[in-house]
Amino acid sequence: DQQVKQNSPSLSVQEGRISILNCDYTNSMFDYFLWYKKYPAEGPTFLISISSIKDKNEDGRFTVFLNKSAKHLSLHIVPSQPGDSAVYFCAASGGLSSGNTPLVFGKGTRLSVIA
Amino acid sequence: DTGVSQDPRHKITKRGQNVTFRCDPISEHNRLYWYRQTLGQGPEFLTYFQNEAQLEKSRLLSDRFSAERPKGSFSTLEIQRTEQGDSAMYLCASSLAVGLRTQYFGPGTRLLVL
Repeated sequence: DQQVKQNSPSLSVQEGRISILNCDYTNSMFDYFLWYKKYPAEGPTFLISISSIKDKNEDGRFTVFLNKSAKHLSLHIVPSQPGDSAVYFCAASGGLSSGNTPLVFGKGTRLSVIA
Repeated sequence: DTGVSQDPRHKITKRGQNVTFRCDPISEHNRLYWYRQTLGQGPEFLTYFQNEAQLEKSRLLSDRFSAERPKGSFSTLEIQRTEQGDSAMYLCASSLAVGLRTQYFGPGTRLLVL
């Protein structure tokens, strides 16, 4: 039973255009969501997060949108750059009463930004 | 202190041998997590600590796996009698227990069991 799903294994985008990566979750107890970027043979690097009390969070070229009713979040990268090419993981954490809980990850989406 | 560190970065071992990995978290973080990642999958939770107390273990963590954080600082993950199915990237992350909920990951230890 996969609680966090990234249904697109890969995405190709031209340099300068918008990249949109999607993520769906099933567990309504999740209340904090994160996006990580991963290069081969390295650990995941934190990009941006959002709490369930918000519906949007922005940091430079990266914006995360959360639709709680649809249990869906998306990461927008504008403009996309070749250095953004990597695997992007959506992760979720839940249960405010237990603090910072272990993360549940999706399987990742490989983004290729073509120059 | 610039981030989470892990040692070794790579380990090749023969089936049946024991291996031990080390993780040094960000110094002010009191929570430390171990995850495992296999090809084509996202990281999967194994176990985590708050200070020296092990708070939760995943059902993925068989009896051959043991983790410690004796002084609430660095942690070790030991795999006894390794099997080929243990080949994976072992990732360590750290965070605060409350407040900022972001987990920061180390570079990982890639294990290959022959």
